[in-house]
Amino acid sequence: KQEVTQIPAALSVPEGENLVLNCSFTDSAIYNLQWFRQDPGKGLTSLLLIQSSQREQTSGRLNASLDKSSGRSTLYIAASQPGDSATYLCAADYGQNFVFGPGTRLSVLP
Amino acid sequence: ETGVTQTPRHLVMGMTNKKSLKCEQHLGHNAMYWYKQSAKKPLELMFVYNFKEQTENNSVPSRFSPECPNSSHLFLHLHTLQPEDSALYLCASSQAGQGWRNTEAFFGQGTRLTVV
Repeated sequence: KQEVTQIPAALSVPEGENLVLNCSFTDSAIYNLQWFRQDPGKGLTSLLLIQSSQREQTSGRLNASLDKSSGRSTLYIAASQPGDSATYLCAADYGQNFVFGPGTRLSVLP
Repeated sequence: ETGVTQTPRHLVMGMTNKKSLKCEQHLGHNAMYWYKQSAKKPLELMFVYNFKEQTENNSVPSRFSPECPNSSHLFLHLHTLQPEDSALYLCASSQAGQGWRNTEAFFGQGTRLTVV
């Protein structure tokens, strides 16, 4: 069964800290892995997409890595800001289905 | 704006009502999806359309009926729903290439459905 887990479930940090969010997937036969941000009651905003042949992607203060063989991806957020507070979701793309993790709820305190 | 628009944003309906959710994408994608997000549960895939053909139906109850008249529009028709169907319903689109290798998926803002 294809499952995605995320650790930690919730995280609270002071502003300015660097942090790492973890994503694990049971079936390594992914096409790509995508990280999203979701604000309360809203839709998903795409942050980064890593193709299965890639190791990492960077966008501004965000860096995502992918280790397909071990079934892991990490999202690194540098110099966190209160505006980064949201739920972060990873999704493994298996073709006709994006399997989502439960998310990490991040709070960045001013 | 992500290029995927969902209407309405909020919907309250009784168990005997019939309503429809609408999704429209302006990205030129050929695949569209319906997801359900319930409280404290991961997003669950409901339906997938590729080139207007339904290719996935994850054991969704028949009270949910999808319709994809063209590659830009997707509907979810609702009838005789139950209170446990209350959730955030999200639409997404992507460009599905050979072997279903997708490009980046884009999501709409969702419809918050409450069944009373």
